[in-house]
Amino acid sequence: AQKITQTQPGMFVQEKEAVTLDCTYDTSDQSYGLFWYKQPSSGEMIFLIYQGSYDEQNATEGRYSLNFQKARKSANLVISASQLGDSAMYFCALSGKVTFGTGTKLQVIP
Amino acid sequence: DAGVTQSPTHLIKTRGQQVTLRCSPKSGHDTVSWYQQALGQGPQFIFQYYEEEERQRGNFPDRFSGHQFPNYSSELNVNALLLGDSALYLCASSGSGILPGNTIYFGEGSWLTVV
Repeated sequence: AQKITQTQPGMFVQEKEAVTLDCTYDTSDQSYGLFWYKQPSSGEMIFLIYQGSYDEQNATEGRYSLNFQKARKSANLVISASQLGDSAMYFCALSGKVTFGTGTKLQVIP
Repeated sequence: DAGVTQSPTHLIKTRGQQVTLRCSPKSGHDTVSWYQQALGQGPQFIFQYYEEEERQRGNFPDRFSGHQFPNYSSELNVNALLLGDSALYLCASSGSGILPGNTIYFGEGSWLTVV
């Protein structure tokens, strides 16, 4: 069975600072992918970044980067230069049946 | 390029009734998945359709059923609604089945309230 664990129910970050959202996972698949999504209060899940299990380099997409440590089964999301519009729920997800974590609510403080 | 579209956006049903939710995938995508997201929780996988067949299913009762049409659009049907079925129902699409590298794009969801 697959499992995603996000241990931070809520996080605060000062505007323009960087923040790291934690995600650990468990899967028996040899090939898998990890996703991060942002969910504003409107409900839509917005794709942020993807990391494949065999990718040698950590994924980056603009202000988002993924700190992937395969041996530790962690895939933390780093948001640099936080903006007020980054305030939302953030979900880590594992490919296959696409298992989601419980999410982290990020609030950016002016 | 239209993204994933879902309808209706909001609906209210009575216990015991049946509901049908609809989804059109992103252009070029042929795989559709459905998720249930209760308030304050992460999305839970219901099932996935590819080539008009259910390919994977999560831990949901048979009251939850679906269909995929030749144009790749999909429907989610829930029978004998319970109060606990109140949730945001998200549709997601991706290309060519369940390969790990296929990015999954979501629609804005259908908010279902059962009273």
